[in-house]
Amino acid sequence: AQSVTQLGSHVSVSEGALVLLRCNYSSSVPPYLFWYVQYPNQGLQLLLKYTSAATLVKGINGFEAEFKKSETSFHLTKPSAHMSDAAEYFCAVRLSGGYNKLIFGAGTRLAVHP
Amino acid sequence: DAGVTQSPTHLIKTRGQQVTLRCSPKSGHDTVSWYQQALGQGPQFIFQYYEEEERQRGNFPDRFSGHQFPNYSSELNVNALLLGDSALYLCASSSGPQPQHFGDGTRLSIL
Repeated sequence: AQSVTQLGSHVSVSEGALVLLRCNYSSSVPPYLFWYVQYPNQGLQLLLKYTSAATLVKGINGFEAEFKKSETSFHLTKPSAHMSDAAEYFCAVRLSGGYNKLIFGAGTRLAVHP
Repeated sequence: DAGVTQSPTHLIKTRGQQVTLRCSPKSGHDTVSWYQQALGQGPQFIFQYYEEEERQRGNFPDRFSGHQFPNYSSELNVNALLLGDSALYLCASSSGPQPQHFGDGTRLSIL
């Protein structure tokens, strides 16, 4: 069965510091992987997606993620945090060839302080 | 180009009541999925509609039902509401294998 584990329910960084949000997945077949961001009182916005092309994926707002099959990981990074990055981040997995059903991790709340 | 729209934004019900939530997909999308997001948790898949039929269902009881209309809009119905049904209900639309686009959700509170 597919599952997603996000390590760290809360991450706090200083403005300008590196952001690293961790995601590990469990899937018996090659998955599609996604990162979504949720701002307060809003829905989910797609940051980036991995669909078996390049292993390093660039998304919006300066975020990127690297797919590592050997580690079953898809960690999200940003070189320099901005105050506006404070939000909840969700990693999600979908089976290739499936009906586009997403399985989400529990989320990581990112706080950015001056 | 309007994205996914959901109504109402907020809703308060009491235990045992029934509720209907509505979703209009993004233009060009024909598939609608519903998710339940409890406080402090990630979204949980409820079900997905395509061509007016339920195509896939998550681990939710039969109290949760849905419908898709010919214009691709969708409704989520929940009967016999329980306190545990309090959550943010998210609608997402897509076309084929493309990523899902989410609405801002309906916040349902059960008293």
